[in-house]
Amino acid sequence: NAGVMQNPRHLVRRRGQEARLRCSPMKGHSHVYWYRQLPEEGLKFMVYLQKENIIDESGMPKERFSAEFPKEGPSILRIQQVVRGDSAAYFCASSTGQGARGNTIYFGEGSWLTVV
Amino acid sequence: SQQGEEDPQALSIQEGENATMNCSYKTSINNLQWYRQNSGRGLVHLILIRSNEREKHSGRLRVTLDTSKKSSSLLITASRAADTASYFCATDRMDSSYKLIFGSGTRLLVRP
Repeated sequence: NAGVMQNPRHLVRRRGQEARLRCSPMKGHSHVYWYRQLPEEGLKFMVYLQKENIIDESGMPKERFSAEFPKEGPSILRIQQVVRGDSAAYFCASSTGQGARGNTIYFGEGSWLTVV
Repeated sequence: SQQGEEDPQALSIQEGENATMNCSYKTSINNLQWYRQNSGRGLVHLILIRSNEREKHSGRLRVTLDTSKKSSSLLITASRAADTASYFCATDRMDSSYKLIFGSGTRLLVRP
């Protein structure tokens, strides 16, 4: 049973470009979460999605960031017009039910974005 | 504000010794989870303890939870060099159980 799959693992973008990060949840999981980790810090919640629905995006910056989880295919975190401050590790996680109410949340290996 | 805060921020021990890490949080929770992160890697789930549980074991790991003090501890017994990693506690608030709130972690170094 494959875990949470994220790609790319490492991404380098120039300032002003777009970054697109993909996440395939674990098999059978319909709840997806995105977190961001700055160097030497813990993870910060960004957004919670179920299929075709954004449930909570309170941790997402208001501009340039968007997320989707379509009926078919992976969840996508999109960052437009990247700036140096967007450099971070972006982690996707998934769970069967609405985590963490007794549901273990499993994390992917992360996508490391570097903006040059 | 941070929900979970780990203590100490960094810990260096000799192989074979025990390592204890603490986590404090602010609001009522459903569950508390501990994760391990090796440098440059994702998070590995270690253990979940529910708010009505006081202690849980998994192999060399022992987790305690004291909801009256809003704190938890992670004990790793007979540590190994491979235990070197950052350890994070994550809590979920009762009013938004889907949202894990992480502390900034304890960086554990186990010297061979």
